[in-house]
Amino acid sequence: DTGVSQNPRHKITKRGQNVTFRCDPISEHNRLYWYRQTLGQGPEFLTYFQNEAQLEKSRLLSDRFSAERPKGSFSTLEIQRTEQGDSAMYLCASSIGGRDRARETQYFGPGTRLLVL
Amino acid sequence: AQKITQTQPGMFVQEKEAVTLDCTYDTSDPSYGLFWYKQPSSGEMIFLIYQGSYDQQNATEGRYSLNFQKARKSANLVISASQLGDSAMYFCAMREANAGNMLTFGGGTRLMVKP
Repeated sequence: DTGVSQNPRHKITKRGQNVTFRCDPISEHNRLYWYRQTLGQGPEFLTYFQNEAQLEKSRLLSDRFSAERPKGSFSTLEIQRTEQGDSAMYLCASSIGGRDRARETQYFGPGTRLLVL
Repeated sequence: AQKITQTQPGMFVQEKEAVTLDCTYDTSDPSYGLFWYKQPSSGEMIFLIYQGSYDQQNATEGRYSLNFQKARKSANLVISASQLGDSAMYFCAMREANAGNMLTFGGGTRLMVKP
Protein backbone atom coordinates (compact mmCIF):
# COMPACT_ATOMS: atom_id res chain seq x y z
CA ASP A 1 0.00 0.00 0.00
CA THR A 2 1.59 3.28 -1.08
CA GLY A 3 -0.96 5.68 0.41
CA VAL A 4 -0.76 7.78 3.56
CA SER A 5 -0.87 5.65 6.70
CA GLN A 6 -1.74 6.65 10.24
CA ASN A 7 -1.38 4.86 13.54
CA PRO A 8 -3.18 4.12 15.70
CA ARG A 9 -6.57 4.15 13.97
CA HIS A 10 -8.38 4.55 17.28
CA LYS A 11 -7.28 5.83 20.66
CA ILE A 12 -9.25 6.05 23.89
CA THR A 13 -7.61 7.91 26.75
CA LYS A 14 -8.47 9.50 30.04
CA ARG A 15 -8.50 13.25 30.53
CA GLY A 16 -5.06 14.51 31.47
CA GLN A 17 -3.10 11.79 29.70
CA ASN A 18 -0.69 12.42 26.83
CA VAL A 19 -1.24 10.82 23.44
CA THR A 20 0.92 10.58 20.33
CA PHE A 21 -0.17 9.84 16.76
CA ARG A 22 2.01 8.88 13.84
CA CYS A 23 1.65 9.65 10.13
CA ASP A 24 3.63 8.11 7.29
CA PRO A 25 3.15 10.13 4.09
CA ILE A 26 3.39 8.91 0.51
CA SER A 27 7.10 8.28 0.08
CA GLU A 28 7.99 10.93 -2.50
CA HIS A 29 5.84 13.66 -0.91
CA ASN A 30 7.81 16.43 0.76
CA ARG A 31 4.80 18.26 2.24
CA LEU A 32 2.80 16.99 5.18
CA TYR A 33 -0.31 18.41 6.87
CA TRP A 34 -2.32 17.72 9.99
CA TYR A 35 -6.04 18.47 10.23
CA ARG A 36 -8.65 17.95 12.94
CA GLN A 37 -12.22 16.97 12.22
CA THR A 38 -14.96 17.08 14.83
CA LEU A 39 -18.26 15.28 14.41
CA GLY A 40 -20.43 16.71 11.67
CA GLN A 41 -17.84 19.24 10.52
CA GLY A 42 -15.29 19.52 7.75
CA PRO A 43 -11.60 19.13 8.58
CA GLU A 44 -9.75 22.13 10.03
CA PHE A 45 -6.09 22.82 9.35
CA LEU A 46 -3.66 22.42 12.25
CA THR A 47 -0.13 22.53 10.87
CA TYR A 48 2.08 22.07 7.79
CA PHE A 49 5.60 20.76 7.19
CA GLN A 50 7.83 21.11 4.19
CA ASN A 51 10.45 18.42 4.60
CA GLU A 52 11.41 18.65 8.29
CA ALA A 53 10.52 22.33 8.73
CA GLN A 54 7.21 23.23 10.38
CA LEU A 55 6.22 26.28 8.35
CA GLU A 56 2.64 26.97 9.38
CA LYS A 57 0.61 26.53 12.56
CA SER A 58 -3.07 27.27 13.05
CA ARG A 59 -4.50 29.14 16.03
CA LEU A 60 -6.18 25.81 16.82
CA LEU A 61 -2.79 24.35 17.70
CA SER A 62 -2.63 25.27 21.37
CA ASP A 63 0.55 24.90 23.40
CA ARG A 64 -0.60 21.43 24.48
CA PHE A 65 -0.14 20.28 20.88
CA SER A 66 3.24 19.62 19.32
CA ALA A 67 4.10 18.17 15.94
CA GLU A 68 7.40 16.99 14.56
CA ARG A 69 8.79 15.61 11.35
CA PRO A 70 12.36 14.89 12.39
CA LYS A 71 13.84 13.48 9.20
CA GLY A 72 11.39 14.85 6.71
CA SER A 73 9.62 11.50 6.43
CA PHE A 74 7.06 10.42 9.06
CA SER A 75 5.47 12.89 11.45
CA THR A 76 4.13 12.69 14.99
CA LEU A 77 1.42 14.76 16.63
CA GLU A 78 1.44 14.81 20.44
CA ILE A 79 -1.32 16.15 22.65
CA GLN A 80 -0.37 16.73 26.26
CA ARG A 81 -2.82 16.83 29.16
CA THR A 82 -5.74 15.82 26.94
CA GLU A 83 -9.14 17.42 27.43
CA GLN A 84 -12.57 16.13 26.42
CA GLY A 85 -12.69 18.84 23.77
CA ASP A 86 -9.74 17.18 22.03
CA SER A 87 -11.98 14.26 21.03
CA ALA A 88 -11.95 14.31 17.24
CA MET A 89 -10.60 12.61 14.14
CA TYR A 90 -7.00 13.64 13.41
CA LEU A 91 -6.21 13.47 9.72
CA CYS A 92 -2.82 13.57 8.06
CA ALA A 93 -2.30 14.48 4.41
CA SER A 94 0.70 14.75 2.10
CA SER A 95 1.50 16.34 -1.24
CA ILE A 96 4.36 16.96 -3.65
CA GLY A 97 5.46 20.57 -3.56
CA GLY A 98 5.17 22.36 -6.88
CA ARG A 99 5.37 25.88 -8.25
CA ASP A 100 1.60 26.29 -8.42
CA ARG A 101 0.43 25.83 -4.86
CA ALA A 102 -3.21 26.21 -5.74
CA ARG A 103 -3.03 23.07 -7.91
CA GLU A 104 -1.41 20.79 -5.34
CA THR A 105 -3.59 17.85 -4.39
CA GLN A 106 -3.40 16.69 -0.80
CA TYR A 107 -3.86 12.96 -0.24
CA PHE A 108 -5.26 11.95 3.11
CA GLY A 109 -4.70 9.02 5.41
CA PRO A 110 -7.45 7.08 7.19
CA GLY A 111 -7.22 9.23 10.32
CA THR A 112 -6.89 8.55 14.03
CA ARG A 113 -10.09 8.76 16.05
CA LEU A 114 -9.39 10.08 19.54
CA LEU A 115 -11.86 9.78 22.38
CA VAL A 116 -11.00 11.50 25.65
CA LEU A 117 -13.03 10.23 28.62
CA ALA B 1 -17.71 35.01 6.32
CA GLN B 2 -17.56 31.34 5.41
CA LYS B 3 -15.03 30.65 2.71
CA ILE B 4 -16.72 27.44 1.57
CA THR B 5 -20.45 26.91 1.86
CA GLN B 6 -22.26 23.65 1.23
CA THR B 7 -25.96 24.32 1.70
CA GLN B 8 -27.24 20.74 1.47
CA PRO B 9 -26.67 18.84 4.73
CA GLY B 10 -28.19 15.70 3.22
CA MET B 11 -29.27 14.47 -0.19
CA PHE B 12 -31.04 11.37 -1.47
CA VAL B 13 -30.63 10.06 -4.99
CA GLN B 14 -32.01 7.01 -6.71
CA GLU B 15 -29.45 4.47 -7.89
CA LYS B 16 -28.36 5.08 -11.52
CA GLU B 17 -29.57 8.69 -11.50
CA ALA B 18 -27.38 11.80 -11.55
CA VAL B 19 -27.02 14.13 -8.57
CA THR B 20 -25.56 17.60 -8.07
CA LEU B 21 -23.90 18.64 -4.83
CA ASP B 22 -23.63 22.40 -4.35
CA CYS B 23 -20.56 24.38 -3.30
CA THR B 24 -20.06 28.13 -3.23
CA TYR B 25 -16.83 29.82 -2.22
CA ASP B 26 -15.52 33.23 -1.26
CA THR B 27 -12.05 34.50 -2.08
CA SER B 28 -10.33 37.60 -3.41
CA ASP B 29 -7.26 35.63 -4.48
CA PRO B 30 -7.17 35.37 -8.30
CA SER B 31 -5.34 32.04 -8.11
CA TYR B 32 -7.05 29.22 -6.26
CA GLY B 33 -7.93 25.58 -6.57
CA LEU B 34 -11.17 23.85 -5.73
CA PHE B 35 -11.24 20.22 -4.64
CA TRP B 36 -13.91 17.66 -3.88
CA TYR B 37 -13.32 14.81 -1.46
CA LYS B 38 -15.45 11.81 -0.53
CA GLN B 39 -15.45 10.53 3.05
CA PRO B 40 -17.05 7.12 3.60
CA SER B 41 -17.95 5.98 7.09
CA SER B 42 -14.44 4.52 7.46
CA GLY B 43 -13.15 8.09 7.73
CA GLU B 44 -10.59 8.35 4.94
CA MET B 45 -10.83 11.45 2.74
CA ILE B 46 -10.68 10.32 -0.88
CA PHE B 47 -9.72 12.90 -3.52
CA LEU B 48 -12.22 13.02 -6.38
CA ILE B 49 -11.67 16.00 -8.65
CA TYR B 50 -9.87 19.34 -8.98
CA GLN B 51 -10.69 22.63 -10.71
CA GLY B 52 -8.21 25.49 -11.04
CA SER B 53 -9.36 29.09 -11.10
CA TYR B 54 -7.70 29.65 -14.48
CA ASP B 55 -8.94 26.44 -16.08
CA GLN B 56 -11.05 27.19 -19.12
CA GLN B 57 -12.93 23.90 -19.14
CA ASN B 58 -14.92 22.17 -16.45
CA ALA B 59 -13.04 19.28 -14.88
CA THR B 60 -14.18 15.71 -15.44
CA GLU B 61 -12.99 12.49 -13.86
CA GLY B 62 -14.92 9.37 -14.77
CA ARG B 63 -18.44 9.69 -13.34
CA TYR B 64 -17.51 12.94 -11.59
CA SER B 65 -17.69 16.35 -13.23
CA LEU B 66 -17.45 19.83 -11.86
CA ASN B 67 -19.87 22.58 -12.90
CA PHE B 68 -17.57 25.58 -12.42
CA GLN B 69 -19.22 28.99 -12.63
CA LYS B 70 -16.49 31.46 -11.76
CA ALA B 71 -18.59 34.62 -11.83
CA ARG B 72 -21.08 33.06 -9.42
CA LYS B 73 -18.25 31.55 -7.35
CA SER B 74 -19.75 28.10 -7.46
CA ALA B 75 -18.16 24.71 -8.06
CA ASN B 76 -20.87 22.08 -7.97
CA LEU B 77 -20.03 18.38 -8.14
CA VAL B 78 -22.09 16.26 -10.50
CA ILE B 79 -22.10 12.51 -10.01
CA SER B 80 -23.59 10.61 -12.93
CA ALA B 81 -25.12 7.12 -12.74
CA SER B 82 -25.10 6.96 -8.94
CA GLN B 83 -24.04 3.71 -7.31
CA LEU B 84 -24.76 2.39 -3.82
CA GLY B 85 -21.06 2.82 -3.02
CA ASP B 86 -21.38 6.56 -3.59
CA SER B 87 -23.19 6.89 -0.25
CA ALA B 88 -20.82 9.00 1.85
CA MET B 89 -20.03 12.52 3.03
CA TYR B 90 -18.77 14.85 0.31
CA PHE B 91 -16.61 17.86 1.08
CA CYS B 92 -15.75 20.82 -1.08
CA ALA B 93 -12.42 22.49 -0.29
CA MET B 94 -10.39 25.44 -1.53
CA ARG B 95 -6.72 26.28 -1.56
CA GLU B 96 -5.78 29.91 -2.17
CA ALA B 97 -2.34 30.41 -3.70
CA ASN B 98 -1.54 33.39 -1.49
CA ALA B 99 -3.06 32.23 1.78
CA GLY B 100 -0.73 29.53 2.96
CA ASN B 101 -0.77 25.83 2.28
CA MET B 102 -3.98 24.81 3.97
CA LEU B 103 -7.17 23.49 2.48
CA THR B 104 -10.32 25.19 3.74
CA PHE B 105 -13.26 22.81 3.84
CA GLY B 106 -17.01 23.27 3.76
CA GLY B 107 -19.34 21.57 6.19
CA GLY B 108 -20.06 18.67 3.85
CA THR B 109 -23.09 17.03 2.27
CA ARG B 110 -24.21 13.52 3.18
CA LEU B 111 -25.29 11.67 0.06
CA MET B 112 -27.49 8.60 0.38
CA VAL B 113 -28.09 6.43 -2.68
CA LYS B 114 -31.36 4.50 -2.65
CA PRO B 115 -31.56 1.09 -4.35
